Amino acid sequence: QKEVEQNSGPLSVPEGAIASLNCTYSDRGSQSFFWYRQYSGKSPELIMFIYSNGDKEDGRFTAQLNKASQYVSLLIRDSQPSDSATYLCAVKPGNQFYFGTGTSLTVIP
Amino acid sequence: DTGVSQDPRHKITKRGQNVTFRCDPISEHNRLYWYRQTLGQGPEFLTYFQNEAQLEKSRLLSDRFSAERPKGSFSTLEIQRTEQGDSAMYLCASSLDGVHEQYFGPGTRLTVT
Repeated sequence: QKEVEQNSGPLSVPEGAIASLNCTYSDRGSQSFFWYRQYSGKSPELIMFIYSNGDKEDGRFTAQLNKASQYVSLLIRDSQPSDSATYLCAVKPGNQFYFGTGTSLTVIP
Repeated sequence: DTGVSQDPRHKITKRGQNVTFRCDPISEHNRLYWYRQTLGQGPEFLTYFQNEAQLEKSRLLSDRFSAERPKGSFSTLEIQRTEQGDSAMYLCASSLDGVHEQYFGPGTRLTVT
């Protein structure tokens, strides 16, 4: 069963705070993990990918992966109103990508 | 523009009509994916090409759906005898063999009336 679970939210954080987005997956064979941002009416935009356990940082974004717990998260530091969007978690156990339903994030000025 | 492009961006059709969508991937990308996304859901995998070969197809995909990538470049997705339940955003994405990241086009929004 290749399922990706995300809290649909909405998640609201004040501007400048840290936003924490979480994702769990069921397929232990998953090797690649992705976070996409999707603005309303637009297509998904790749933010980060991670393959190894631990943390990966890119600017204000940090992805965290724990394969033993089948858990991947995204931290957004110094959240900005422009970060308000739906964040999609995706996993890739083989050739297919499996997406969660997304978490809606609102950053309040 | 060197990104993934899709045409048309919007399509309104009557139930029972056939529609065809086109996707042009990033030029050097040999992998191409089609997804369908409805409101409040994540993209749902439909099918996947490596070069001109269609390697995987969702078991949930109706036989009214067919996709081609005849020369390993652009791809078309055809829906025959459209139904109201086909109304969705159809997304195309491409990636390079050996590289896991995929990049999405702007999508084609289909409305079946």
